[in-house]
Amino acid sequence: AQSVTQLGSHVSVSEGALVLLRCNYSSSVPPYLFWYVQYPNQGLQLLLKYTSAATLVKGINGFEAEFKKSETSFHLTKPSAHMSDAAEYFCAVSEVLGAQKLVFGQGTRLTINP
Amino acid sequence: NAGVTQTPKFQVLKTGQSMTLQCAQDMNHEYMSWYRQDPGMGLRLIHYSVGAGITDQGEVPNGYNVSRSTTEDFPLRLLSAAPSQTSVYFCASSTYPFPGTGGNEQYFGPGTRLTVT
Repeated sequence: AQSVTQLGSHVSVSEGALVLLRCNYSSSVPPYLFWYVQYPNQGLQLLLKYTSAATLVKGINGFEAEFKKSETSFHLTKPSAHMSDAAEYFCAVSEVLGAQKLVFGQGTRLTINP
Repeated sequence: NAGVTQTPKFQVLKTGQSMTLQCAQDMNHEYMSWYRQDPGMGLRLIHYSVGAGITDQGEVPNGYNVSRSTTEDFPLRLLSAAPSQTSVYFCASSTYPFPGTGGNEQYFGPGTRLTVT
């Protein structure tokens, strides 16, 4: 069965600092991988996704993630944090074949300090 | 387009009561799903549907029923609410997940916050 682990339930960075949110997956074959963002009291919004094309994926709001098969990782980064990035971030995985049921990590709450 | 809409936004139930959470989408998406979000556990799939008349169970289906009579609507029914069903419920939709295209973006509704006392 697929699973996703996000290291760190809370991450705090200063405005302008690098953002690094970690995600590792467990799957018998390379799956599809996603990062979603949830702002307070809202639904989830897709940041970016990996679907077996380029391993470095660029998303919205300056975020990017790199798929590393050897490390089974899909970490999310942003070079310079902005106050508006404060939110909860979810890594998710889905199967390549069959219905696209998403399996989510537990989430990482990102706080930006002024 | 309104996207994915959910009603109600908030609901308080007593143990044993029943209710239906409504979900509708206007994007003509074949795939629809229900998730629950609990602190520290991310989102977990309850039920999903790949088209009208077709539904299947997800990871945590017990205590919930679904049906899909139209492409647009995918209601979630709680037959006898329990405190363990206190959660935030999200509905999502996407285009049809043809084999090899499982990376379709899922669009989420704003959620329903349910409290069972």
